[in-house]
Amino acid sequence: QVQLVEFGGGVVQPGRSLRLSCAASGFTFSSYGMHWVRQAPGKGLEWVAVISHDGSNKEYADSVKGRFAISRDNSNNMLYLQMNSLRAEDTAVYYCAKVPYSGSYMYNFDYWGQGTLVTVSS
Amino acid sequence: DIVMTQSPDSLAVSLGERATINCKSSQSLLYSSNNKNYFAWYQQKPGQPPKLLIYWASTRESGVPDRFSGSGSGTDFTLTISSLQAEDVAVYYCHQYYSLPLTFGGGTKVEIK
Repeated sequence: QVQLVEFGGGVVQPGRSLRLSCAASGFTFSSYGMHWVRQAPGKGLEWVAVISHDGSNKEYADSVKGRFAISRDNSNNMLYLQMNSLRAEDTAVYYCAKVPYSGSYMYNFDYWGQGTLVTVSS
Repeated sequence: DIVMTQSPDSLAVSLGERATINCKSSQSLLYSSNNKNYFAWYQQKPGQPPKLLIYWASTRESGVPDRFSGSGSGTDFTLTISSLQAEDVAVYYCHQYYSLPLTFGGGTKVEIK
């Protein structure tokens, strides 16, 4: 069965960096686009970034563009989010999410991880 | 950016009664080349990730009870829970995947009256 497990969250000071990881299993990871979505405490969902199945295309929300970088390692079924210059407003649970079809990444999300909490605070 | 506006923000419905949630997008989500609406509904219970309920505006995800149904096209969409059960207490989000940045509605909290 499909499993997505995020890790790497924690408490970090403003301006510092953190790298989130998402371990994928139960499907052919290299065939699917992958997304990061975040949710601030008590708030709604915000899309963060997407990467194509082969890593050739990457897109970001304006709120993180230039600070965050999405990447993947298809040989190890891993998705990453490198977060630099962190701000208090980046505090959120970060989810990795899979699309249901291979090829394009412009689809809904059929599986989500449990999320990892990032707290940016001095 | 496509703005997704959900209504109401919250609603309380008696067990066994119908619950209706609306979502309006700031531009059409209907892709003319395949006649599909790039629109989905998710359910999120406390402490859990969102769960996909409906995609392509009206296609129920496998395993989702048939009391959940989606309708609408273009810019106006509806999620209906035909007979509310206790386990349906959750926040429901609409979502457009027509264009980047992907966006979500603000959420509708469904409670038992």
